[in-house]
Amino acid sequence: QVQLVESGGGVVQPGGSLRLSCVASGFTFRNYDMHWVRQTPDKGLEWVAFIRRDSGQVYYTDSVRGRFTISRDNSRNTLNLQMNSLRVEDTALYYCAKEERFRVNFALWGQGTLVTVSS
Amino acid sequence: DIQMTQSPSSLSASIGDRVTITCRASQSISDALNWYQQKPGKAPNLLVSDASNLQSGVPSRFSGSGSGMDFTLTISSLQPEDSATYYCQQSLTVPLNFGGGTKVETK
Repeated sequence: QVQLVESGGGVVQPGGSLRLSCVASGFTFRNYDMHWVRQTPDKGLEWVAFIRRDSGQVYYTDSVRGRFTISRDNSRNTLNLQMNSLRVEDTALYYCAKEERFRVNFALWGQGTLVTVSS
Repeated sequence: DIQMTQSPSSLSASIGDRVTITCRASQSISDALNWYQQKPGKAPNLLVSDASNLQSGVPSRFSGSGSGMDFTLTISSLQPEDSATYYCQQSLTVPLNFGGGTKVETK
């Protein structure tokens, strides 16, 4: 079954850290570029970060650059997002998403993991 | 950054109606535009890529068109299961911004 399963969300105080993971199955993970996308009721859908299939290229949205780090382990079919210096405005449902081959889109999504930053 | 503006933000239509959602980019993006459908409590689902390419398994009543700055998602005959929020997203350059969404309800 082709799927993505996120984990690692939770409640954390401002300034704290969390590490999200996304485990892929049912497809050859190492062949696909991957993303993190987050969603809030107020701001809607927001692209967060991108990593190329060989980890040779990463991009971030401005608001998380320098605080978040996207990484992947192709031997374990796992995508990660290390989130440091968390802010209240990082509160969101975080999705991992897979592109189609050679197309920049979000063709497959996980179920999401909720991150709440609150004192 | 390329900003994406959708209209309307919500609409209500009858079963069988033709529904049109528009998306405008703040600069030309050629055909680098994707459409997603999201139902409550679920992750978004890719409907259309590259402005007009319908994804496998998506009903043919859905279609996408446009290029440059202006794009349209059309539902030719609205069905009850089409009640959802629809998002456009530009894929030309990072940040890969989404539109604000259009909530479609069936009367």
